[in-house]
Amino acid sequence: DTGVSQDPRHKITKRGQNVTFRCDPISEHNRLYWYRQTLGQGPEFLTYFQNEAQLEKSRLLSDRFSAERPKGSFSTLEIQRTEQGDSAMYLCASNAGRTNTGELFFGEGSRLTVL
Amino acid sequence: KQEVTQIPAALSVPEGENLVLNCSFTDSAIYNLQWFRQDPGKGLTSLLLIQSSQREQTSGRLNASLDKSSGRSTLYIAASQPGDSATYLCAVRPNPPENFGNEKLTFGTGTRLTIIP
Repeated sequence: DTGVSQDPRHKITKRGQNVTFRCDPISEHNRLYWYRQTLGQGPEFLTYFQNEAQLEKSRLLSDRFSAERPKGSFSTLEIQRTEQGDSAMYLCASNAGRTNTGELFFGEGSRLTVL
Repeated sequence: KQEVTQIPAALSVPEGENLVLNCSFTDSAIYNLQWFRQDPGKGLTSLLLIQSSQREQTSGRLNASLDKSSGRSTLYIAASQPGDSATYLCAVRPNPPENFGNEKLTFGTGTRLTIIP
């Protein structure tokens, strides 16, 4: 069990560019979550997957954001036409769904800086 | 809408002291409450998870309590060490509905703890 893995750890981009983050959950965890955290704030929920199905999306997830989990394993979060307000830490988490305690395990995050 | 508050926002204590971090939430219909630790620039590390039916959980020098009816949780750290310096976040998860949904955690803004050697 290597934990939740996120890549890249840090991304610097210019406004208007597209960026993609990848998350590999703990193996056999069927639920995967994306959160966003800005400086001095707690993480805010973006979306979650049960296997390959995206079951809930926050209003924070504008149409420039898209998340996928095509084979029910790793997930990608893409941000199109980045804006300076997108600068944040993007956190991925996983758990084993309702068969487990509901404890969430987070990765190290992907920090996005939009210039 | 669930709101989670953590007071104080920052706390400094001398090494060796016992301390308590507070977390309050407005909606008592929770499924569980989880305490996390976050080091600067890093992700979240799960410390303790308390189910809504439990009153407390312990792990090493850490003890978390839950009073769901009053909307409060505390994280007690015994014999603090400089390595305990970090931001501590609490998060609540709402009751699971019949259908999928209500999966999101609502976080507080955290307490930044500094242990002075």
